[in-house]
Amino acid sequence: DAKTTQPNSMESNEEEPVHLPCNHSTISGTDYIHWYRQLPSQGPEYVIHGLTSNVNNRMASLAIAEDRKSSTLILHRATLRDAAVYYCILSQGGSEKLVFGKGTKLTVNP
Amino acid sequence: EAQVTQNPRYLITVTGKKLTVTCSQNMNHEYMSWYRQDPGLGLRQIYYSMNVEVTDKGDVPEGYKVSRKEKRNFPLILESPSPNQTSLYFCASSLMAGAGNTIYFGEGSWLTVV
Repeated sequence: DAKTTQPNSMESNEEEPVHLPCNHSTISGTDYIHWYRQLPSQGPEYVIHGLTSNVNNRMASLAIAEDRKSSTLILHRATLRDAAVYYCILSQGGSEKLVFGKGTKLTVNP
Repeated sequence: EAQVTQNPRYLITVTGKKLTVTCSQNMNHEYMSWYRQDPGLGLRQIYYSMNVEVTDKGDVPEGYKVSRKEKRNFPLILESPSPNQTSLYFCASSLMAGAGNTIYFGEGSWLTVV
């Protein structure tokens, strides 16, 4: 199964950009890259996903490396409400299994 | 409103007493799954279901059963709970699996087995 690797924790200041990295060196050609985040005492919530091209939505941007072995979630202006654990997930075509990374705990300082 | 609803949200039970955690979604999703979350281990998939009457094991299926008799419901059954099943459980659903679809998670069920 393809795995993801993320830093355990990162810290940012409010209103500054945040780049959250994820390595997925064994990704296969049909795997989508998803990012979810989990606030304390809540279920994970969708942030963004992509396959090959960079993606933007109102919450964040997803930059995918050309070889697809890594990706970066970009929060353009961090707020205190963005403090959460961010999970990089591969949805594997064929096996229908979801592989979660350990997640990155993002702390946002005021 | 799109929802994944789990019950109970909190439960303390004793070793060996069968219990069921229910999960229901109102989005007509084909794919549903269960996860457990433990400190330092992130989310691990227990079981998943591609559609009615189609279920398969995830990464940590031991000690659990599931059924998918209706599209909207996907209960998690612990036939004989043990303390190592004390955990936070999440149910999730998506339109389909493996196709870049958004996954919707329930709010979680805190289970303590004493």
